[in-house]
Amino acid sequence: AAGVIQSPRHLIKEKRETATLKCYPIPRHDTVYWYQQGPGQDPQFLISFYEKMQSDKGSIPDRFSAQQFSDYHSELNMSSLELGDSALYFCASSQKETQYFGPGTRLLVL
Amino acid sequence: GDSVTQMEGPVTLSEEAFLTINCTYTATGYPSLFWYVQYPGEGLQLLLKATKADDKGSNKGFEATYRKETTSFHLEKGSVQVSDSAVYFCVTQGGSEKLVFGKGTKLTVNP
Repeated sequence: AAGVIQSPRHLIKEKRETATLKCYPIPRHDTVYWYQQGPGQDPQFLISFYEKMQSDKGSIPDRFSAQQFSDYHSELNMSSLELGDSALYFCASSQKETQYFGPGTRLLVL
Repeated sequence: GDSVTQMEGPVTLSEEAFLTINCTYTATGYPSLFWYVQYPGEGLQLLLKATKADDKGSNKGFEATYRKETTSFHLEKGSVQVSDSAVYFCVTQGGSEKLVFGKGTKLTVNP
């Protein structure tokens, strides 16, 4: 069965640089969620989209923005990167209530 | 807001031992409850879920029952294997659909 695809899987950036993470949901899933998992931490909800509109917002810094496109893929844009942004970023998609997670993008900010 | 409290780890067991990971939640309304598992170096996988009171979720020998009266969703397995070594997250989902995770419990099973 098709799963959630995230790219890139690993990313290394320097402070103050920008990064773009991409998420391709499971076909026919209309909702996409982004979560951030710091080292040894539980995942924290950042933002979600339903039918290309933002549906909920969590603890997402103002330096971050995201959108969902007409083909339902989503991108998380991160600017002015800080050391503390180093984390695993998960995308999840759902059609009803159950969220299925991608493998994550591991971002390291140096 | 919603919150989840789960048993702090790490938990170390011998193969074939009985596993219980306690989880309680606070939420408004009637949330759906999940257990997700994260194997070393991998992403989050749905282990089991329950969407209403007294529902029992089960998968791969793991079980959890949605107890509204005690606001609990404890994870159990009768006989753990080395391959069950992972971090287990108890998760609640309320009306906003976002998932709220517990802190995670790291399980190590020794042969």
